[in-house]
Amino acid sequence: EIVLTQSPATLSLSPGERATLSCRASQSVSSYLAWYQQKPGQAPRLLIYDASNRATGIPARFSGSGSGTDFTLTISSLEPEDFAVYYCQQRSNWPPGYTFGQGTKLEIK
Amino acid sequence: QVQLVESGGGVVQPGRSLRLSCAASGFTFSSYGMHWVRQAPGKGLEWVAVISYDGSNKYYADSVKGRFTISRDNSKNTLYLQMNSLRAEDTAVYYCAKDKGQGDYGDLNAFDIWGQGTMVTVSS
Repeated sequence: EIVLTQSPATLSLSPGERATLSCRASQSVSSYLAWYQQKPGQAPRLLIYDASNRATGIPARFSGSGSGTDFTLTISSLEPEDFAVYYCQQRSNWPPGYTFGQGTKLEIK
Repeated sequence: QVQLVESGGGVVQPGRSLRLSCAASGFTFSSYGMHWVRQAPGKGLEWVAVISYDGSNKYYADSVKGRFTISRDNSKNTLYLQMNSLRAEDTAVYYCAKDKGQGDYGDLNAFDIWGQGTMVTVSS
């Protein structure tokens, strides 16, 4: 099973600052990597798919990069509504299945 | 608008069964792969199962294999999760999620629409 490791576990920043979140896979996942945002009491929301494509309606301040085993989600200038938990997710070719990272909590400093 | 609404959650004793439903609207349900994802209280996300657009391919997480069955009725725009032999560790919010992809497993890479979730508590 492919393991996704996110870092840092918690990131404390102020509005207007740049956020860089990391996701590392235990083996190559090609570009089958997605990012989600989850706020308390809400379902997750897809932000990025296929490593670098923004989902419908996602602001341009969110961007994704990487391939193989190392991926990054960047929020260029934090808005108050961006403070949440972020998860990465991958699809395995074999055995079939999906895994999520353990999450990065982005909190207000 | 595009919407997924789960139902069927509740409190159940260990070893018993429960069936979850997910009603879809606002998109062509029969064209998309669908998933169940769960989240234990205070924990992260765990993928549970996926089913292809026509129901011909199904895959499960090791933690539920042999106990849970995913199915769909495209005539009713509804996704199901039959959960048998429930354990305390199955306690979680269960979300149904639409995949962005329309093909078979190899095209199903990201979950673009999520329901609001239904809580399942396994306790004696």
